[in-house]
Amino acid sequence: ETGVTQTPRHLVMGMTNKKSLKCEQHLGHNAMYWYKQSAKKPLELMFVYSLEERVENNSVPSRFSPECPNSSHLFLHLHTLQPEDSALYLCASSQEEQGGNEQYFGPGTRLTVT
Amino acid sequence: AQSVTQLGSHVSVSEGALVLLRCNYSSSVPPYLFWYVQYPNQGLQLLLKYTTGATLVKGINGFEAEFKKSETSFHLTKPSAHMSDAAEYFCAVSDGNKLVFGAGTILRVKS
Repeated sequence: ETGVTQTPRHLVMGMTNKKSLKCEQHLGHNAMYWYKQSAKKPLELMFVYSLEERVENNSVPSRFSPECPNSSHLFLHLHTLQPEDSALYLCASSQEEQGGNEQYFGPGTRLTVT
Repeated sequence: AQSVTQLGSHVSVSEGALVLLRCNYSSSVPPYLFWYVQYPNQGLQLLLKYTTGATLVKGINGFEAEFKKSETSFHLTKPSAHMSDAAEYFCAVSDGNKLVFGAGTILRVKS
């Protein structure tokens, strides 16, 4: 595997379910990100992890819970979601350095909450 | 805080015509600028980036962008559109350890 992978690619869940999204990067990067992409809305940064520590949480509801056990893996645990949480969830990674840090994205998980 | 404005949520060109996607940024420090492309049901793919040095940046798939500090712009161009260029394009500016994205421009290519 190369680049950034995400599983599952598609997920349908009820509002009372608990599920997790998984992201793995094979690039040796030290920072990872979760984004939410909804139709007709700009890309929303949800969480940033740098060196496995959460450095940013952009006022995301507590029904989304991230976990970064090591620099290669990132999870997003989901529970009691709402229909408006249906979206494409994108994971990205980068190598932090002075100045611009280009991010490499996974293919995303298309989440539908019923 | 840094911000990005992409002019035109939809752009339509004929196959073989010039592609021009506009991006203006606001940054309090020398910016690092990026263009990404997203095909349906896929993640974002880096097209090109500007960090320092030459202001005309060449990317993949024949795209290029020019950093113009006086105009705070970083427009994306391609001399001749191909059907496979139909996608959504995002401009982004670096803000510390984050990227701030524009709202995106959907490019349609007509045969």
